[in-house]
Amino acid sequence: DIQMTQSPSSLSASVGDRVTITCRASQSISRYLNWYQQKPGKAPKLLIYAASSLHSGVPSRFSGSGSGTDFTLTISSLQPEDSAIYYCQQSYGIPGNSFGQGTKLEIK
Amino acid sequence: QVQLQESGPGLVKPSETLSLTCTVSGGSISSYYWSWIRQPPGKGLEWIGYIYSSGSTNYNPSLKSRVTISIDTSKNQFSLKLNSVTAADTAVYYCARDLTAVTGGTSYYYMDVWGKGTTVTVSS
Repeated sequence: DIQMTQSPSSLSASVGDRVTITCRASQSISRYLNWYQQKPGKAPKLLIYAASSLHSGVPSRFSGSGSGTDFTLTISSLQPEDSAIYYCQQSYGIPGNSFGQGTKLEIK
Repeated sequence: QVQLQESGPGLVKPSETLSLTCTVSGGSISSYYWSWIRQPPGKGLEWIGYIYSSGSTNYNPSLKSRVTISIDTSKNQFSLKLNSVTAADTAVYYCARDLTAVTGGTSYYYMDVWGKGTTVTVSS
């Protein structure tokens, strides 16, 4: 099975900061990597698909990069509403999908 | 736009079968993949499995022996059954639509629409 590992598990940053979250796959998954944002008590929301494609309606301060085993989610200028837990998810499909453990982002 | 709504019992007894239904509104269930995901209290997301509108399925290996996902295209619904439940199956259960994007000849899958989730507690 493909294991997804995110780092850090949590971080705290200030409004306006540039924030980077990393996701590593246990084997190559090409660009089959998605990012989701989840706020308390809510369902996850898609941010990025296929490693770097911005989902419709998602602010342009969010971006994704990477391929193979190493991926990053970057928030270029952190906003108060970005406080959430972020999950990566591989859709390479062997044998199915799996999520990273999540990164909790807090605003200082 | 497409909306998803989970429904089913909020309380299930240990060793019994958890049964949930996801109703799709605002669009057709045909020609898409549909997923179930769960989240235990205070923990991360766990993919359970998906079904295509034709009925083909793929399950998380860790749950495969206990899970069945089915689809009823006439009702625009798909369902989850998880048998022999224990307290470890207590979670918020989400349904989601899997969309496909084709880039450079490659198909990429992602979950673009999610239900609000339903809480299932396993307890006697």
